[in-house]
Amino acid sequence: DGGITQSPKYLFRKEGQNVTLSCEQNLNHDAMYWYRQDPGQGLRLIYYSQIVNDFQKGDIAEGYSVSREKKESFPLTVTSAQKNPTAFYLCASSISGGRNTEAFFGQGTRLTVV
Amino acid sequence: SQQGEEDPQALSIQEGENATMNCSYKTSINNLQWYRQNSGRGLVHLILIRSNEREKHSGRLRVTLDTSKKSSSLLITASRAADTASYFCATGGANYGGSQGNLIFGKGTKLSVKP
Repeated sequence: DGGITQSPKYLFRKEGQNVTLSCEQNLNHDAMYWYRQDPGQGLRLIYYSQIVNDFQKGDIAEGYSVSREKKESFPLTVTSAQKNPTAFYLCASSISGGRNTEAFFGQGTRLTVV
Repeated sequence: SQQGEEDPQALSIQEGENATMNCSYKTSINNLQWYRQNSGRGLVHLILIRSNEREKHSGRLRVTLDTSKKSSSLLITASRAADTASYFCATGGANYGGSQGNLIFGKGTKLSVKP
């Protein structure tokens, strides 16, 4: 089945640690995105990539890093520089980076700082 | 920065009733999309309406778009308990900063349908 897979579903991080969230898609989509969702809030864009080996900062990129070495993979690292990382993280992909295309979402990773 | 704002923030209705959610946005758009999110899950695309369209239907969903008022509405007819979820509008900007090709999401309407 085609789709977009995020792992793990739940992640716990200690203060000062870096953690990496996985996002894999087998939809052959060029564009991939990372969003952050806080309780009762909408989605805020962290990073996006429209093509392999290229990515751009979104609205809240500080404290996060990404890579796009393969078309199907777009991992997100939450670094120790991110002061308030507890949130629900959503990865999405679309056929292209065009505004007219729908986005397909993974099931999310809930990150908690302990 | 938030582009769309849904209204109301929360809506509670009985099964069989219609549910109407509204979305207002600020700048010119290329299209507007509605998504659904079940609690603790990812978003699922429902419908896309382009800026030159006024109304679109998909099953029990009806979406309208008024670009002069910069607003859209999502109507779910004959609602079911399974429609309980949060609903988000997302705009594809015509001229949205440097983040070309990205959707801007509102904060959502939380719909509760009671059996």
